[in-house]
Amino acid sequence: NAGVTQTPKFQVLKTGQSMTLQCAQDMNHEYMSWYRQDPGMGLRLIHYSVGAGITDQGEVPNGYNVSRSTTEDFPLRLLSAAPSQTSVYFCASSNPPGTSGREQFFGPGTRLTVL
Amino acid sequence: RKEVEQDPGPFNVPEGATVAFNCTYSNSASQSFFWYRQDCRKEPKLLMSVYSSGNEDGRFTAQLNRASQYISLLIRDSKLSDSATYLCVVRGSWGKLQFGAGTQVVVTP
Repeated sequence: NAGVTQTPKFQVLKTGQSMTLQCAQDMNHEYMSWYRQDPGMGLRLIHYSVGAGITDQGEVPNGYNVSRSTTEDFPLRLLSAAPSQTSVYFCASSNPPGTSGREQFFGPGTRLTVL
Repeated sequence: RKEVEQDPGPFNVPEGATVAFNCTYSNSASQSFFWYRQDCRKEPKLLMSVYSSGNEDGRFTAQLNRASQYISLLIRDSKLSDSATYLCVVRGSWGKLQFGAGTQVVVTP
């Protein structure tokens, strides 16, 4: 199993550009999430999904869109990049709360710089 | 006030020594607690869950104090490979995870 994969690993954007961060998992997990990690702060939840076709906002959703057309894939779209979105982005997947094996598995991260 | 607070460190620990650090959480309704480990420029990985009665996993011991709303992690016989940032993670009653900013541990020869 590859676990959780993310592409690209690094990306530099100019202010106003848009792009999609890709995330895929092969563990058949229902739950998938996107986090951002900034220096001195804990991971903050951007958007999450509890299954194909179902998404919801997390703590810091502004400027980002998500969709979940399949169980495996959960892309994150930056609509119009801003310097404040410079961060490390992690995708994670897990089984639902209340089930066994609820560990969150994280992808390797995407390091995004917005100039 | 942050939902989950940790001393950022760094905790500089001689190899073979013991180190312990805490994490406080603000939501008294929090239901589940975890320690994750994050190596430099890598993704977080689950180290251990924290149970009400406290639990051990090899050289690692985790404790939960619900009355004072903190969890702790103790590392015995520290190894160089224990150098990392340790993230405190709390699951609230709504099911979402709240992450602390992490405590950096540096084990020196």
